[in-house]
Amino acid sequence: DQQVKQNSPSLSVQEGRISILNCDYTNSMFDYFLWYKKYPAEGPTFLISISSIKDKNEDGRFTVFLNKSAKHLSLHIVPSQPGDSAVYFCAAILAGNQFYFGTGTSLTVIP
Amino acid sequence: DVKVTQSSRYLVKRTGEKVFLECVQDMDHENMFWYRQDPGLGLRLIYFSYDVKMKEKGDIPEGYSVSREKKERFSLILESASTNQTSMYLCASRSMASGFTGELFFGEGSRLTVL
Repeated sequence: DQQVKQNSPSLSVQEGRISILNCDYTNSMFDYFLWYKKYPAEGPTFLISISSIKDKNEDGRFTVFLNKSAKHLSLHIVPSQPGDSAVYFCAAILAGNQFYFGTGTSLTVIP
Repeated sequence: DVKVTQSSRYLVKRTGEKVFLECVQDMDHENMFWYRQDPGLGLRLIYFSYDVKMKEKGDIPEGYSVSREKKERFSLILESASTNQTSMYLCASRSMASGFTGELFFGEGSRLTVL
C-alpha cells in the first residue's frame, strides 16, 4: 500500500513561472519529509527537507510546505528554470530510518 | 563530498545468470540501502543494512540477497536473474550521526537488463 503518493506523473511550466509539485501521505507518524531531484541516468539528489513540526522551509528558489491536517506536502520552485527539468520524488521518514518514496513527478520547464 | 559508487552503470544478463551489483561509499556511513526504480512505481526498497554484517528485508526482497562484510561496501545479489528484474538499481547510504534528518546519498544507478 502506497503511503506516499504523487498523483501527477508529469508537469509542464514556462520558464520564469512557478512550479508546484504535490505529494500526499497517509501515515501521521512520519517524522521528516524530503524532496529529491533525479536527472535521467543519474541517482536522486537531495533537494530540501522539512520536519513534521514545521509548516514551511525555504532554500533559495525552493520552498516546501507541509499541511499536516491535510497530510499534504508541496514543493514550490520560483522562478522555474530549464535546468529544473527532472523527476522529483517526495519521501517521508518513519521512526528515523524507514524511507517511503512517492512515484515521482516529471517536471518540464519550457524555455 | 559524499561519494556512493556503483560498480556497473549498465549490465545485460541472461535469464538464470547470477548477478552481482556492488556499491561502495566513502563517508563511513553506517546505513546502506538498495532500491529499484521502475516507471510508475517510484523507488522500492529491496534490502537495507544498519551496519556491518547486518541486513534487513525491505518491501520487495524476493529473488535478491545482500552482503555487507565491510562497512563501506554493500552488495546486491540476484541468485538467478529473471526478466522481471530488469530495472534501475539504486544504492544509497546514510549517516546516523545526523539522527532523524539524515538524508540518503544515492549512487548513479545500475541499469540491469535481463534477456
